[in-house]
Amino acid sequence: AQSVSQHNHHVILSEAASLELGCNYSYGGTVNLFWYVQYPGQHLQLLLKYFSGDPLVKGIKGFEAEFIKSKFSFNLRKPSVQWSDTAEYFCAVKSTGGGNKLTFGTGTQLKVEL
Amino acid sequence: DTGVSQDPRHKITKRGQNVTFRCDPISEHNRLYWYRQTLGQGPEFLTYFQNEAQLEKSRLLSDRFSAERPKGSFSTLEIQRTEQGDSAMYLCASSLKGTSGNTIYFGEGSWLTVV
Repeated sequence: AQSVSQHNHHVILSEAASLELGCNYSYGGTVNLFWYVQYPGQHLQLLLKYFSGDPLVKGIKGFEAEFIKSKFSFNLRKPSVQWSDTAEYFCAVKSTGGGNKLTFGTGTQLKVEL
Repeated sequence: DTGVSQDPRHKITKRGQNVTFRCDPISEHNRLYWYRQTLGQGPEFLTYFQNEAQLEKSRLLSDRFSAERPKGSFSTLEIQRTEQGDSAMYLCASSLKGTSGNTIYFGEGSWLTVV
């Protein structure tokens, strides 16, 4: 069974600081990887996704993530965060070998202070 | 708004009562999913439909839970004889097979509180 670990449960940063949120998955086969964001009071929104090709993927709002297959990791990064990035961030994995369910991590609550 | 819509957004019910949630997916999306999310956790997969066929069910979906998608469009999730442990956010999502790697779009969720 696949699983996802997000090691940082709560992160507090000042505006303009750089962000990196860790995500590791456990699955032996080929996967698709996602980062979703949930702003306060809103629904889950897709930030970015990796299916194949260039392991560095760029998403909306200046976010990017790098897939490192050897480390089973898909860390989310942003060079300079803004107050409006305050939200909960979820990493998710979907196997490509059949089935369509997403397996989510427990999420990272990011708070950006002015 | 052409996103995934869910109804009701909030439901408070007494233990033992039945509740039903409705989900309207994005138009033309043939795949529909139900997830459950509790505080401090990520969403957990419950079940998914392709058109009207229920193709996968999680072990989390006990006998008290039933989901339907009779015409391949909207879906309902019914919980019978609710228990306090059923209190959670129930999320619906949809996707279109064969496009953009089947990117899954989520609704705003239905909050259930069992008292």
